[in-house]
Amino acid sequence: AQTVTQSQPEMSVQEAETVTLSCTYDTSESDYYLFWYKQPPSRQMILVIRQEAYKQQNATENRFSVNFQKAAKSFSLKISDSQLGDAAMYFCAYRNTGNQFYFGTGTSLTVIP
Amino acid sequence: GAGVSQSPSNKVTEKGKDVELRCDPISGHTALYWYRQSLGQGLEFLIYFQGNSAPDKSGLPSDRFSAERTGGSVSTLTIQRTQQEDSAVYLCASSLLAGAPYSYNEQFFGPGTRLTVL
Repeated sequence: AQTVTQSQPEMSVQEAETVTLSCTYDTSESDYYLFWYKQPPSRQMILVIRQEAYKQQNATENRFSVNFQKAAKSFSLKISDSQLGDAAMYFCAYRNTGNQFYFGTGTSLTVIP
Repeated sequence: GAGVSQSPSNKVTEKGKDVELRCDPISGHTALYWYRQSLGQGLEFLIYFQGNSAPDKSGLPSDRFSAERTGGSVSTLTIQRTQQEDSAVYLCASSLLAGAPYSYNEQFFGPGTRLTVL
């Protein structure tokens, strides 16, 4: 089975600064999909960004971008110009071609005003 | 359009009672997932329904847990003889699975049901 590891249980960032959340995964597959989800205190999980494994170009969504290193099995999330509303739990997720999802244990991000 | 909805949003029950948690997926989504999230923890996979295929029940922690999906839409997760360790947030997610497996098919989550077993 695939595993997803988020080694940073907690991170903090000053407002307007940049922060990077790390995620690594273990798989023997070549085709898969990766996601970052955000879970604010409201509990609602929200998709932040997604990446296809066979695309070398890193995905970008406004202030959010990823650094996808397929050989290293690494999928980090960079948040630029951090805002107070970015404070949340962030989960990295892996989906295989069997549509099974595997989630990391999450990183709690605090944004300091 | 409407997102994934779950009911109730909160449920308090006594140890030993049975509970039913409901999930209404996004219309047209063929895949439905249940997860359990204990306080401050990640998501623990419970069960996965895909169309008319037999569900993947590999994540159910015990035979006290069961789930069904009627008519390919609404799903109910049932926990029998609840225990205090069952206290958690139960999340439901649905996915379109269009063009699967070679498309994103990200999950859309409901707001969850917070279950407290006294």
